[in-house]
Amino acid sequence: AQTVTQSQPEMSVQEAETVTLSCTYDTSESDYYLFWYKQPPSRQMILVIRQEAYKQQNATENRFSVNFQKAAKSFSLKISDSQLGDAAMYFCAYRSAEYGGSQGNLIFGKGTKLSVKP
Amino acid sequence: GAVVSQHPSRVICKSGTSVKIECRSLDFQATTMFWYRQFPKQSLMLMATSNEGSKATYEQGVEKDKFLINHASLTLSTLTVTSAHPEDSSFYICSANPGTEAFFGQGTRLTVV
Repeated sequence: AQTVTQSQPEMSVQEAETVTLSCTYDTSESDYYLFWYKQPPSRQMILVIRQEAYKQQNATENRFSVNFQKAAKSFSLKISDSQLGDAAMYFCAYRSAEYGGSQGNLIFGKGTKLSVKP
Repeated sequence: GAVVSQHPSRVICKSGTSVKIECRSLDFQATTMFWYRQFPKQSLMLMATSNEGSKATYEQGVEKDKFLINHASLTLSTLTVTSAHPEDSSFYICSANPGTEAFFGQGTRLTVV
C-alpha cells in the first residue's frame, strides 16, 4: 500500500522569506500523481501544485515550486516570498495513475501547519 | 476550475437521529466521488468510494450500515450518517476528479449532541 509521510508537524517562516515543506512517499508503482493541497482555517481544500511522476521537470506555480526526486521518493514544496495568506495546513497527497485520469482516491500525509510571521 | 458543492456546511443533530450530506458536481459528471473524514488537527482519511449506479466501496473499519452512500446520478452523491452518536462528530469532505486534479466540496462539520 502507498503511504505519504510529512515529518514536519509545524513550520514557521518570516514574511517575504522562503520555506520548504518536506514530503516523502512510498509506492511500488511507476506512474502516479503527487499534489500539495492547502487547507486554510475555512477548511476548504485548495490545490497548490501537482506533479506527474513521468515528468522529470519540477512543477512551478508562481511562488510555489516543488523538488521532485523520484528515485528518492521525495516531493518537497518550496514557497518563495511568503505571504501572510500562505498560513495554513499543507497536505502532501499521492494518487495512483493506474485507474486513469479521473479515478483513484488521494492518500494524504498528516499535514504541516505553516505559520507566517509578519 | 471544476466546482464541487457540498451541503450543509454545518449541522447539529441529536444522538440517535440521521443526517444526510449532499455532494454535487456542478459543471461536470462524476461517475466516482470520494468521501473523506477529518478529525480535528488530523489528516483526511478516505471513508468510501461512491460509484454511480452501483454499491459504494468502503474502507476497512468503516461501518457500511452507519454511513450509507447513494450515488443515484452522475452529479450527486449523498452520505447519510444513521443513528448518529457523539463519536460520529467530525468534518466530512467529498471530492471528485473531472481529470487528474481532485476538487473538493466545502466540507460538512457534523456535531452530534
